[in-house]
Parts: sequence; C-alpha cells; structure tokens
Amino acid sequence: SQTIHQWPATLVQPVGSPLSLECTVEGTSNPNLYWYRQAAGRGLQLLFYSVGIGQISSEVPQNLSASRPQDRQFILSSKKLLLSDSGFYLCAWMPTGRGGNSPLHFGNGTRLTVT
Amino acid sequence: DQQVKQNSPSLSVQEGRISILNCDYTNSMFDYFLWYKKYPAEGPTFLISISSIKDKNEDGRFTVFLNKSAKHLSLHIVPSQPGDSAVYFCAASRMWYSGGGADGLTFGKGTHLIIQP
Repeated sequence: SQTIHQWPATLVQPVGSPLSLECTVEGTSNPNLYWYRQAAGRGLQLLFYSVGIGQISSEVPQNLSASRPQDRQFILSSKKLLLSDSGFYLCAWMPTGRGGNSPLHFGNGTRLTVT
Repeated sequence: DQQVKQNSPSLSVQEGRISILNCDYTNSMFDYFLWYKKYPAEGPTFLISISSIKDKNEDGRFTVFLNKSAKHLSLHIVPSQPGDSAVYFCAASRMWYSGGGADGLTFGKGTHLIIQP
C-alpha cells in the first residue's frame, strides 16, 4: 500500500531564515506530487505540483520554491521566510496519468510558525 | 476569484440527526467533485466523490448529491456521530477526458461540523 511521509510536524522559524520541508511517497512509482498551504481562515491553496523528476509547476507567485530531486521526493523551500509564510503545509500525491479523476492523498502536514 | 464556495464556516448538529454540508461552484468546467474530512493537526482524508454523470453517490453513512444546473453539491451524514466532528472540505476538478490534467484539486474554505451529544 502507498504511504506518504512529511516532516517535520511542527516548525518555528524566525523571519528571514531559510526553510526546507520534505515529503516522500512509498509504494508507488512516478506519482504526481503537490504542495498545498492552509492559512488561518482560508481553504487549501495549491502552491506547486510536479508530474515528474525536475518538473515543477507553480500556481501562486511567492518567495517559496519546490524541487523534485527524486521520483518520490518533493521538497518545499524558501531562502528567506516572511511572517505571511506561516501556515499549515500539506504534501499530497495522486497516481500519475489520472489527473482529475482520482483523489489526492495527503500527508499529515507541517505547522510552520514564522516569528 | 473563489471557484469553490462553502458559505457556512460552521455547523452544529445533534448526535443521531442528519448533517448536511453544502458547497457551490462557479466553474462550469468542473465535473469531478470530492469531500474531505480534516481533524486538527492532520492532513485531510478523502471521504467520497462524485462525477458529473451522476447526481448521487452513497457510501455507508455518507451520501453526496450533485445538482449540476444549480452548480451545487451537498454531503449528507446520517446518522451523525461524535467522531464526525471535524472540518469538511469540498473540492472540484476536471476529469481527464474533459481536458483535466495533473493540476490538483480546487478546495473550498471548509465547514467546521460540530456534533453535539
């Protein structure tokens, strides 16, 4: 069966510090991978998605970036965090080639607080 | 521009009664709809989905109804149980045969369901 791992679970970082959140998926090959953010009082906002190694699509311009160095690894980064980057970050996956007719499966999320 | 709207931030229902959560969408290209349940500090978990070729899909205590002409869907939970207390997200996308791709799901802001004992 497929599992998704996301870490760390919580993170407190000062403004201007770098960020690296990691997500890995097990039990599947060539998944579509996603980063979502849930900010306070808002829904789930798609930040990035990837359909393959090195292929990143950005949905929202911001100071965050994403990378996919391996098939089942997805990393969310920032060089300098802003206060507005605080939120709950969720990694998700979907079987490849089935965009739009398969549920997304989410990790347990990372609660990021920028102070 | 919010394409998926959940206009009730919260809903309180007595245990054993029916819970009805509502969702509206504006993008007529959407033809695949899902409901997710989320507990605090956890990722959302998939509950039930429906494609636009149907108007009802049932799975145990959960039933989703789709009204395409009104661009409205609802989730019914019968009977409601204490463990159903959570935030429920409505989501939508296009099926692959409608030109949908890998660009994920569009979510509403969620409705916090509280089941009263």
